[in-house]
Amino acid sequence: QSALTQPASVSGSPGQSITISCTGTSSDIGGYNYVSWYQQHPGKAPKLMIYDVTNRPPGVSNRFSGSKSGNTASLTISGLQADDEADYYCNSYTSINTRVFGGGTKLTVL
Amino acid sequence: QVQLVQSGSELKKPGASVKVSCKASGYTFTTYAMHWVRQAPGQGLEWMGWISPNTDNPTYAQGFTGRFVFSLDTSVTTAYLQISSLKAEDTAVYYCARGHLTPKARLDPWGQGTLVTVSS
Repeated sequence: QSALTQPASVSGSPGQSITISCTGTSSDIGGYNYVSWYQQHPGKAPKLMIYDVTNRPPGVSNRFSGSKSGNTASLTISGLQADDEADYYCNSYTSINTRVFGGGTKLTVL
Repeated sequence: QVQLVQSGSELKKPGASVKVSCKASGYTFTTYAMHWVRQAPGQGLEWMGWISPNTDNPTYAQGFTGRFVFSLDTSVTTAYLQISSLKAEDTAVYYCARGHLTPKARLDPWGQGTLVTVSS
């Protein structure tokens, strides 16, 4: 199972919105609504930000939102804040009953 | 609150074995599964597989068969990852993460991670 494809880096200024894409295949993202997104600050454990494509866990800011179209999922962060600077990973369930991560995207807040 | 606490860092020589523990608290251990994720230095997250208390039959991702073993001890609400015949390329931070009784569900929360260093 190949890793999902994410851009290596994205950047934005405080207050702006950014979108991180995550591209897979019909055997993972395109076939199921089980995409989740994780935020990881340096030296810390990953934290769940979005699950089942669009759902936010309790305590996660509504500035974070998820969507999907075909084989590509997206994470949008609006009203960028300095603390949003982190690595972001997408993850999907697959047709062979496994999960797969994207390569990760480094978000820089300018 | 739901919490996963992992064992401390390990320094091992090539060929040795290591067992990483993940102590769960704050929820009913037998109604959730446990996933394991590897992160090599400076690299991304890699899903290793998962184990359900229902089936006690682990699923291993490609590349994690043979030397990697997941297990559960429900009496002490702890999950374990054992790696045998360690190689330098096994050097990484290993995370446990709670999942539901289907691999379709999200991973939440995560343990703090255990650094395993393999060096002669």
